[in-house]
Amino acid sequence: DTAVSQTPKYLVTQMGNDKSIKCEQNLGHDTMYWYKQDSKKFLKIMFSYNNKELIINETVPNRFSPKSPDKAHLNLHINSLELGDSAVYFCASSQDRTGGETQYFGPGTRLLVL
Amino acid sequence: AQRVTQPEKLLSVFKGAPVELKCNYSYSGSPELFWYVQYSRQRLQLLLRHISRESIKGFTADLNKGETSFHLKKPFAQEEDSAMYYCALLGANNLFFGTGTRLTVIP
Repeated sequence: DTAVSQTPKYLVTQMGNDKSIKCEQNLGHDTMYWYKQDSKKFLKIMFSYNNKELIINETVPNRFSPKSPDKAHLNLHINSLELGDSAVYFCASSQDRTGGETQYFGPGTRLLVL
Repeated sequence: AQRVTQPEKLLSVFKGAPVELKCNYSYSGSPELFWYVQYSRQRLQLLLRHISRESIKGFTADLNKGETSFHLKKPFAQEEDSAMYYCALLGANNLFFGTGTRLTVIP
């Protein structure tokens, strides 16, 4: 009965590769988010989708592309991976689009680019 | 511009001692603030939000608009409180997180 799930949990890959991280929520929420937590533990929002529509797109390289096939899923695809992409990526969801409701987080995906 | 500052990256206290994790914010509108916690090997989760005015696991946080602060406090720290704590500010369509404070409670 996991609320927000992410796969894979760990991802080790070479520079230049393309990889995807999947996120699913079974809470019936309308809004989903992707956050990046860097080595200094700083959490920064990357994208937000509401009912499959992109509502927040922070300044991230266009190598990062979110895909929302339906409102329960928000996948993150990364092209041409770079060393600096190594981080923990968290997916989250909330009921409304303002983020004022509690955001529920996934367990995180630790990405290591070699 | 919205900003959340947690000045302490690391904080160690002895079990039973009071603990205060500092959070200062910068926001032009009426702020809505949260504390999130991440225990070892667990996911990030909401601890409390200022509009609820509640105490969770013995923690409280009071919004001080004059000092633009939202410090997290607990009178008697427990070992299970050791975790990473994030202060967050709700801006327009987004939660802004601070850099986090790692709290270690020494037995």
